Amino acid sequence: ETGVTQSPTHLIKTRGQQVTLRCSSQSGHNTVSWYQQALGQGPQFIFQYYREEENGRGNFPPRFSGLQFPNYSSELNVNALELDDSALYLCASSPGRGNYGYTFGSGTRLTVV
Amino acid sequence: AQSVTQLDSQVPVFEEAPVELRCNYSSSVSVYLFWYVQYPNQGLQLLLKYLSGSTLVKGINGFEAEFNKSQTSFHLRKPSVHISDTAEYFCAVSDLVNNTGKLIFGQGTTLQVKP
Repeated sequence: ETGVTQSPTHLIKTRGQQVTLRCSSQSGHNTVSWYQQALGQGPQFIFQYYREEENGRGNFPPRFSGLQFPNYSSELNVNALELDDSALYLCASSPGRGNYGYTFGSGTRLTVV
Repeated sequence: AQSVTQLDSQVPVFEEAPVELRCNYSSSVSVYLFWYVQYPNQGLQLLLKYLSGSTLVKGINGFEAEFNKSQTSFHLRKPSVHISDTAEYFCAVSDLVNNTGKLIFGQGTTLQVKP
């Protein structure tokens, strides 16, 4: 049973650019959530996808968007990057909507310069 | 809105000593509660969770936590810590009201185990 894998592990982007982060969910999991973890802070919920539809969204602007594919993998897209977007982005998958049995990936460290 | 407060940002402790990491949450409705551990440059690993039933929850690596509804607390304990327990610990609560699957995390507590 494979866990949650995220790519890339590290990324450096310039302010104003766009970025796409990828996540492969654990086998048997159909729900994916994304979190942003700024340095020294707890993770903040960005959004969740269940069966390819957005199921819930945190307090993030529309330039944060996502997709979930038929195989339940997911992408997080961030447009018009700002310096404050520098953070660790964590993906978590679970067996179903409302099921809190999350498995987290190791994250993508995004640095915006 | 729900919130989670971890009362200590850093907890230094000597090896083999007991430790308690404190967590309070603000909610008047039923919640699920979690403790996660994060080692440097890694993701989150679930230590234990409370969904229902017994208020004393046992987790991995010898950790346990007690759910106290009247005090809205979910403190994490370990009777004897090891150097390898040095890490960041996060308490989290579910958002069952909106059922978004959202977890609300505290700011984290750094456990530093000294030899």
